[in-house]
Amino acid sequence: AAGVIQSPRHLIKEKRETATLKCYPIPRHDTVYWYQQGPGQDPQFLISFYEKMQSDKGSIPDRFSAQQFSDYHSELNMSSLELGDSALYFCASSLWGQQFFGPGTRLTVL
Amino acid sequence: AQKITQTQPGMFVQEKEAVTLDCTYDTSDQSYGLFWYKQPSSGEMIFLIYQGSYDEQNATEGRYSLNFQKARKSANLVISASQLGDSAMYFCAMREGDAGGTSYGKLTFGQGTILTVHP
Repeated sequence: AAGVIQSPRHLIKEKRETATLKCYPIPRHDTVYWYQQGPGQDPQFLISFYEKMQSDKGSIPDRFSAQQFSDYHSELNMSSLELGDSALYFCASSLWGQQFFGPGTRLTVL
Repeated sequence: AQKITQTQPGMFVQEKEAVTLDCTYDTSDQSYGLFWYKQPSSGEMIFLIYQGSYDEQNATEGRYSLNFQKARKSANLVISASQLGDSAMYFCAMREGDAGGTSYGKLTFGQGTILTVHP
């Protein structure tokens, strides 16, 4: 069965650089969620989209932005990266509520 | 206030024995969903089991069962016949505003419990 695809799987950036994380939901899933998991932490909700519209917003820094495109894939754009942004970023998708997680993108900011 | 509390930072169990991972939650919603996820050292989040607040029966999925005690606001995960491959971090999560298992709400996670299975 198709799963959530995230790219890249690993990303290394310098401070103050920008990063773009991509998420391809399971086909026909209409909702995408982004979570951030810092080292040794539980995942924290960032933002979600339903039918290409932002549906909820969590503790997402102003330096981050996200959108969902017409093909339902989503991108998380992160600017002015800080050391504290180093984390595992998960995308999840759902159709009838059950959230399926992607493998995550591990971002390291040096 | 913490919405999901997992009080066991680490748990140890002997292979083939059963283990219970604790989870308590706090919500004023009448409709909510409770989830357990497994996160191995490789990092992926693997869905294990779901319990809706209106479900009268405890959820079961293979070796996993959820001991749901609504009045006590607890949703403990029971893993029977532990296997070495069960060694991982386990997260309890809640989604508020569930209705019949369908909701588009975000998940709120607990701090996690690291389970180690000994041979």
